[in-house]
Amino acid sequence: DTEVTQTPKHLVMGMTNKKSLKCEQHMGHRAMYWYKQKAKKPPELMFVYSYEKLSINESVPSRFSPECPNSSLLNLHLHALQPEDSALYLCASSQLRGAQETQYFGPGTRLLVL
Amino acid sequence: GESVGLHLPTLSVQEGDNSIINCAYSNSASDYFIWYKQESGKGPQFIIDIRSNMDKRQGQRVTVLLNKTVKHLSLQIAATQPGDSAVYFCAETYPSHNDYKLSFGAGTTVTVRA
Repeated sequence: DTEVTQTPKHLVMGMTNKKSLKCEQHMGHRAMYWYKQKAKKPPELMFVYSYEKLSINESVPSRFSPECPNSSLLNLHLHALQPEDSALYLCASSQLRGAQETQYFGPGTRLLVL
Repeated sequence: GESVGLHLPTLSVQEGDNSIINCAYSNSASDYFIWYKQESGKGPQFIIDIRSNMDKRQGQRVTVLLNKTVKHLSLQIAATQPGDSAVYFCAETYPSHNDYKLSFGAGTTVTVRA
């Protein structure tokens, strides 16, 4: 089973709202990732967690706040977003961090900021 | 079959023909490569991978070729079917700041003609 689940599937929010995206995997993977994907573009890395600790932050604005409460869950807290933050937000996981670790992706949350 | 010598953003293939999707990667230190398939409204789905110590790997109806000399990766799909219509991304893992990153190519949109 290589399933990563994400909720919600779709989210519409205003620029003053606070919302959260959730990601879950039960494969025992110890590395989890957030990516942002704009239309017709490849995914771009935002954050990496390894053993529930943040290991990479790709200079993401502070209006995006990741959280890894346990080894199966990854959240992305959103606050005061801009319309240009509208995108597909993808979660991925891999067994470990490493050079030859396969990342498995969830279906994404399609976010629209009004 | 149909192929592209250089990376092109789109590929139109007759059903039943073979497809070849090409990808040039940038980092000579990359040592792991993955092909993902992304259907409309879904997250990237793992297809096949190859390590840098190999030059060919076969899966079910798919073959990946790696030429490290010219930093070129290709995905061959045999007997292309309508369900193969999707965007295909190559991705490379390379070392970065005592860690590793997965970087995606621009993607090729494959359309299968009936």
